[in-house]
Amino acid sequence: EVQLVESGGTLVMPGGSLRLSCAASGLTFSNAWMSWVRQAPGKGLEWIGRIKSNGDGGTIDYAAPVAGRFTISRDDSEKTLYLQMNSLKTEDTAVYFCTTVQHWGQGTLVTVSP
Amino acid sequence: EIVMTQSPAILSVSPGERATFSCRASQSVTNTLAWFQQKPGQAPRLLIYGASIRATGIPARFSGSGSGTEFTLTISSLQSEDFAVYYCQQYNNRPPLTFGGGTKVEIK
Repeated sequence: EVQLVESGGTLVMPGGSLRLSCAASGLTFSNAWMSWVRQAPGKGLEWIGRIKSNGDGGTIDYAAPVAGRFTISRDDSEKTLYLQMNSLKTEDTAVYFCTTVQHWGQGTLVTVSP
Repeated sequence: EIVMTQSPAILSVSPGERATFSCRASQSVTNTLAWFQQKPGQAPRLLIYGASIRATGIPARFSGSGSGTEFTLTISSLQSEDFAVYYCQQYNNRPPLTFGGGTKVEIK
């Protein structure tokens, strides 16, 4: 059974930084293209970025609202996906999901507030 | 950026009825279109990919169609567990991989 488990969400001040993790099991993580998707309270889904497998070039793409502030990385030996979030804004408040598209984690809540 | 527009925003349907809703892309995405179902407090669930291919374990009452810029998701006979929000997403090779705003299917 594939499992994706996010962690690291918490309350953080505007301008602060946070790193989210997504631990994967039950899949060949090194072959997986992984994305982060977020959902602000009461709102729809927003794709924020994707990292391809290293075998497919490891390309990383970001949505415009987070480009230059967020960094996606992966550790295939640990089967873990990361999202480093810097210069956080109140509008970054959301549940953050990691996903392979077919499989989704349960999400982790990030709240950015003074 | 490819903009995905879903309609209607809310669809009121009685159990057992057919539900059909749409997703329009601002430019062609060929068949790189997925549909997701999301219930309150839960992660999204993949229903359809490649515009018309049901994901593993998805009941046959769910079907997707379309290509290019116009796509449709049909639920042939709504069950109680199908009342949820449905999102389309294009995954054309050029990011960002944008989602539509969602269609909420509610009980009539």
